[in-house]
Formats: sequence, C-alpha cells, structure tokens
Amino acid sequence: AQTVTQSQPEMSVQEAETVTLSCTYDTSENNYYLFWYKQPPSRQMILVIRQEAYKQQNATENRFSVNFQKAAKSFSLKISDSQLGDTAMYFCAFMKHGKTSYDKVIFGPGTSLSVIP
Amino acid sequence: EAQVTQNPRYLITVTGKKLTVTCSQNMNHEYMSWYRQDPGLGLRQIYYSMNVEVTDKGDVPEGYKVSRKEKRNFPLILESPSPNQTSLYFCASSLFSRNTGELFFGEGSRLTVL
Repeated sequence: AQTVTQSQPEMSVQEAETVTLSCTYDTSENNYYLFWYKQPPSRQMILVIRQEAYKQQNATENRFSVNFQKAAKSFSLKISDSQLGDTAMYFCAFMKHGKTSYDKVIFGPGTSLSVIP
Repeated sequence: EAQVTQNPRYLITVTGKKLTVTCSQNMNHEYMSWYRQDPGLGLRQIYYSMNVEVTDKGDVPEGYKVSRKEKRNFPLILESPSPNQTSLYFCASSLFSRNTGELFFGEGSRLTVL
C-alpha cells in the first residue's frame, strides 16, 4: 500500500526568506503523479505544483519548486521569497495512474506553514 | 464558470439519520472522488469513480456509499451516520484526457453528527 509522510507538522518562515517542506512516500508503482496542494484558512484546496514520476526534471512554478528524488522516494517543496499569502496548510499527495484510468489518491498529514512579517 | 459544487456546506445531524452530500461538476471530468479531512490525518480518500456506474473504494469507505449514475454527479451517502463521521468532506474531480492528475476541489462540507 502507498503511504505519504510529512515529518514537519508545523513550520514558520520570515517574509521574503526561503523554506523547504519535506515529503516522503512509499510505493512499488512506476506510474504516478506527485502533488503539493495548499489549503489557506478559507479551506479551499489549491494545486501548487505537480510532478510526473517518469520525468527526471524537477517541476517549477514561479516561486515554487520541487526536489524530486525518485530512488529515495522524496518530494520536497521549496518556497522562495515567502509571502504572507503563503500562510496555509500544505499537503503532499500521490496519485497512481494507468493507461486508461486514475486510481487512488493518498495525501500526507500536512504541514502548517506560517509566514511571519 | 468551471467548478465543483457540494451541498450542503454545513450540516448538523443526529446519529442514525440518513443523509446525502451532493457533488456536481460542470467540466466533463471522468474522475470524481470523495475525501474526509481530520486534524493530523490529512485528507483520506473514501471512494472514487473513473466512469459512470464504476466506483472503487478508497482507504476509508466504511459507513459510506456512493453512486455514479451520471457523469457530472457523485453523491456521498451516509446511511446511518455516527459521531466518528463528524468531519470536513471534500469532493474533487479530474480530467483524465489532460493527463495531469490535477484534482479540482469543491469548497468542502462540514458535517457534525451528534
């Protein structure tokens, strides 16, 4: 069975600084996606960044980037130039997929990030 | 506007009183799924569906039922709710043909079972 672990329940960072959130996962599958979702106090779930397992290149989206280490089953999120609006709960997620379907989705327990002015 | 709509957003009910949380998407997504969110546990998948009349269990299906009679709708049914089903519930959908896996979430439904 797949599992997703986020070892940092809470983190804080000064505005404009850089912070890295950790995520490890366990799977024997070859075809999967990895995601970071953000949940601000409004509780809306928002996609931050995604990575396809077969791609070696790390995904980037503006101030957000990942360090994807497939062999180590690690998928950390780096937030550069942190902004107050980045304050949120961050969830790492794993989705297995096949040629004709998506499958189960597994979320980690979340990391609560606070950006301090 | 492309969206996933859940109703009700808030509900307080009593043990044993059947309830249904509706979920509808207007994006022609094949994949639909339900999650419950509890503190310290993240989101846990209850059921998912890749197509009409095709549903599969997630990690925590006990006490829940779903149906997928139409592509756009995926209701979550609690036949006999119990206090341990008090939680925040999310419905989400995804377009398989885009091959991204990105989930589009509803706004959540806060359920309290007394």
